[in-house]
Amino acid sequence: EIVLTQSPDFQSVTPKEKVTITCRASQSIGSSLHWYQQKPDQSPKLLIKYASQSISGVPSRFSGSGSGTDFTLTINSLEAEDAAAYYCHQSSSLPYTFGQGTKLEIK
Amino acid sequence: EVQLVQSGAEVKKPGESLKISCKGSGYSFTSYWIGWVRQMPGKGLEWMGIIYPGDSDTRYSPSFQGQVTISADKSISTAYLQWSSLKASDTAMYYCARLGVVDAFDIWGQGTMVTVSS
Repeated sequence: EIVLTQSPDFQSVTPKEKVTITCRASQSIGSSLHWYQQKPDQSPKLLIKYASQSISGVPSRFSGSGSGTDFTLTINSLEAEDAAAYYCHQSSSLPYTFGQGTKLEIK
Repeated sequence: EVQLVQSGAEVKKPGESLKISCKGSGYSFTSYWIGWVRQMPGKGLEWMGIIYPGDSDTRYSPSFQGQVTISADKSISTAYLQWSSLKASDTAMYYCARLGVVDAFDIWGQGTMVTVSS
């Protein structure tokens, strides 16, 4: 089973700041890595698919990069509405798995 | 509109059985895998397993194999997650989600809260 390790687990940031969340896979997964946002009391929402492909309707301040074992989710110019938990997810090999999550708090 | 609508919250006692549902609409239900994801209170997302409603091909995470059963009835565009004997540790929110073209979960249900308590 592929293990995804996110860092940090928690981050407190101010609006307009640039945020970087990383996801490291225990073995190479190519580009089969996706990112989700989950706001309190809501279902998760797909933010980025296949490492760097944007999703219709998602603000352009969200971007993804990486391949192989190291991936990054970047949020440019953070907004208050971005307070949420963020998860990476690999679909390279079964069983698919999620990272443990990163909670973003807005100061 | 493409959507997944899940059944309502459940409160059960340990040892009881339960089957929750996830109904798809607005797309070809038999052409996409449906997955189940567990979220225990205050915790992260856990991938449980997936089913292809077209032929009921099912894959489980080893962590959930034998603990739950995933099934689907394509005639009514509905996927199911069931337990034969619930435990207190099954208390969680359960989400169904559609696995899209690149195997990302692109559509999510609203979640079903399952509470198991004596």
